[in-house]
Order: sequence, then C-alpha cells, then structure tokens
Amino acid sequence: EAGVAQSPRYKIIEKRQSVAFWCNPISGHATLYWYQQILGQGPKLLIQFQNNGVVDDSQLPKDRFSAERLKGVDSTLKIQPAKLEDSAVYLCASHRIAGTRTDTQYFGPGTRLTVL
Amino acid sequence: QKEVEQNSGPLSVPEGAIASLNCTYSDRGSQSFFWYRQYSGKSPELIMFIYSNGDKEDGRFTAQLNKASQYVSLLIRDSQPSDSATYLCAVKDSLGYQKVTFGTGTKLQVIP
Repeated sequence: EAGVAQSPRYKIIEKRQSVAFWCNPISGHATLYWYQQILGQGPKLLIQFQNNGVVDDSQLPKDRFSAERLKGVDSTLKIQPAKLEDSAVYLCASHRIAGTRTDTQYFGPGTRLTVL
Repeated sequence: QKEVEQNSGPLSVPEGAIASLNCTYSDRGSQSFFWYRQYSGKSPELIMFIYSNGDKEDGRFTAQLNKASQYVSLLIRDSQPSDSATYLCAVKDSLGYQKVTFGTGTKLQVIP
C-alpha cells in the first residue's frame, strides 16, 4: 500500500510570495488533514477534510491560507502572501474515516518551507 | 481550547534503562490516545494507541492510561540509542469528526 505522498519536499521563497503544496492520501482514505509544524512544536491542525468537504478549519489563517480537496482525493494547500512566521514543515495526513476511536493517521514526508 | 501537555525535555536515560514519558490532557471527554515517534527531519510515525484505562503493551513499549487523572504515559523498556527521538502525545476528542490534538513532544536522548 502506497503511503501519503507530498510535494515538493522543500521550498524556499521570499516573504510576500505565494506557494502551494500538494498531497495525495492513501487510496481509499476519506479523511485528510493538513498540519503545520514549527520547529520545536507539535503538529498544529490547519484543516481537516472529510471526502471533499471541510469539517474543521478553525485554526487556518484564512486571510492568507487556502486549501481545497477536489473530488475527495488530492489536496492542495496555498499560502498567499507568505510571511516569515510561515516557515515550518507542512504535514499531510490521512486515515480511512473519522469517527472511529482507534483509526489512526498516516503522515506524509512533509514539505519544509523556508520564508526569507 | 483543548490542550495536551508534555514536558519538552530533553529526557536523558542510559542505554538499557526504562524511559518514562508523560502527557496530560484537558478534555475529559477524550476517547483515544496515541503516541508517535518523530526523528529529526522526519514525519511522525505511530508507535501505539490506547483507549481503555490501564496498560497496553507492545514489545518494549507500554502505554498507560488513567482517564480519571487525565494522563497517559509511555514506558520504553531496555532503551536503545535508536529510540532517541521526539515523542508526541496525541489525543482524539469525542465530538463530531474527532479532531486530533498533539502535544509539543518530549525529546528523548538515550545515552550509550
């Protein structure tokens, strides 16, 4: 079974530029998450999708971040414009379906973003 | 805001010793508890989960859950240098789509 795929793995941009990240979850996984992990901190949930619908985006800075999951499979996360404090690793995770207490998340390799 | 608290460490233990990692959580209705290991520069990988009070053992790892006291711990027996990593506690809540909240992680160093 193929794991969660993410690209690019690394990205360096200047502040005020735009950037987009892509995630392909494990086949059949209905739930997809985007997390932001700043160095030395735990992953912070940005947005959670169930199929192609958003179920939680309470911590997504909507003035600059956007995310979509078309057709309930792949997802993209965009930052426009980027700020220095957006420098972090962006992790995508998926699991089969939310609502089961033992179903676990599988993480992709992450995208390390550096904003200069 | 639901919180998951961990001591950031580093926790240093000699090789072969037992490492004890602790986590407390604020939401009394939380259902499931997970321990992830994260090596530097890598993504989190699941070690084990627990959802019933008591102990759950898997090889050298034992998770302990006490819902009344709202804490969960991870014991690593016979610690190896390869266990040196950051250990993340994650808590799944009981509402709706069961959001998972992570702690900040405890850095473990196993000294040869």
